[in-house]
Amino acid sequence: EEQLEQSGAEVKKPAESLKISCKVSRNTFTNHWIGWVRQMPGKGLEWMGMIYPGDSATKYSPSFQGQVTISVDKSITTAYLQWSSLKASDTAIYYCARHSNSRPFSGLDVWGQGTMVTVSS
Amino acid sequence: QSVLTQPPSVSGAPGQRVTISCTGSSSNIGAEYAVHWYQQFSGTAPKVVIYDDTNRPSGVPDRFSGSRSGTSASLAITGLQAEDEAEYYCQSYDTRLSAYVFGAGTKVTVL
Repeated sequence: EEQLEQSGAEVKKPAESLKISCKVSRNTFTNHWIGWVRQMPGKGLEWMGMIYPGDSATKYSPSFQGQVTISVDKSITTAYLQWSSLKASDTAIYYCARHSNSRPFSGLDVWGQGTMVTVSS
Repeated sequence: QSVLTQPPSVSGAPGQRVTISCTGSSSNIGAEYAVHWYQQFSGTAPKVVIYDDTNRPSGVPDRFSGSRSGTSASLAITGLQAEDEAEYYCQSYDTRLSAYVFGAGTKVTVL
């Protein structure tokens, strides 16, 4: 069974940088887009963007464009979500998830366990 | 304000049928982009229960079904069970935003 393994919880201060990770299998890394989803405390799901590891092509939601960077390290089949300067409003759970190949604009069929990011002074 | 509109909550007694609507527009559901539904229990990651409008992943009970018409989609749960109490989200793609979008979520309560 496919699994996406995310890095552990983080507690950071405002203005600090952060990079969280999502380790995936070679099969997923080769054939699927990997997306990131934010869930703020007590709120719903927000799609942030995605990356195709094969060529590192990225697509961002307008709400998150310029606010975060999505990248991959092919050598260790890992995707990343990073911030250069965190804000308190970045406090949330962040999920990585695999976009299915069932058809164009497919949904998210496998999810990581989530990474809780807390930003507080 | 979510691009996809869901009712905040629905409820039903065990064994009843409940439906959750997901209303979009001509730039997402109305543009024939697929609709997907996710189930999320408190403190856990979401799980897909319906993908590509009507398909159930293996392991998802057949009491879950999806449908769509025009600019809307629906998730139905027939024979409601206590274990179905969770938050449910619809998702599609929006061509105007060039992004995937989620509904705000619907809390299903089993009375």
